[in-house]
Amino acid sequence: GENVEQHPSTLSVQEGDSAVIKCTYSDSASNYFPWYKQELGKGPQLIIDIRSNVGEKKDQRIAVTLNKTAKHFSLHITETQPEDSAVYFCAASREQTGANNLFFGTGTRLTVIP
Amino acid sequence: GAVVSQHPSWVICKSGTSVKIECRSLDFQATTMFWYRQFPKQSLMLMATSNEGSKATYEQGVEKDKFLINHASLTLSTLTVTSAHPEDSSFYICSARKRVFPYEQYFGPGTRLTVT
Repeated sequence: GENVEQHPSTLSVQEGDSAVIKCTYSDSASNYFPWYKQELGKGPQLIIDIRSNVGEKKDQRIAVTLNKTAKHFSLHITETQPEDSAVYFCAASREQTGANNLFFGTGTRLTVIP
Repeated sequence: GAVVSQHPSWVICKSGTSVKIECRSLDFQATTMFWYRQFPKQSLMLMATSNEGSKATYEQGVEKDKFLINHASLTLSTLTVTSAHPEDSSFYICSARKRVFPYEQYFGPGTRLTVT
């Protein structure tokens, strides 16, 4: 099955700096890679996703890059703000299969210091 | 947007009783819903996959007779924790997958279960 690894487990940055979270996956058939933000006591919120036919996707201050050959993808947050503080999860799945199970990374706790 | 609700948001029950948690997709139809369990400071653990109109598929190690799942319609799935024990205390989160491409999954806000 799929194995998703995520690093770092914790990350602290100064407000305004950039934050980068990296994930690797093992299943070369995975083709859908979403990122979720989870605030304390809440469910994960989809913030951005990328499919294997694209190398990079950007949405305002958030961007995701994908390297299919190396089987890794990264989340980039620029101009970080205190409200970006949360736990971020990467995930991978085979989108076209019936089950479409998401395999999650172990999470990164991001703290943005004002 | 795509909104998934869960009810209740938190519940306290006594050991031996059963608790039902509802998961609804409010503005889209979902043929597939997923139930996860999350322990403090840990990732999400998939418990089961729920398909509308058919039996749920449980992950290895999850007792299907203890965690009853019913996916009665394209917008509603329920998880019933039967004969709850303190070790069942956890954060339970559902997600719903859109039935049309792109098949994004959207998560509910979670239900905090405490068994005393």
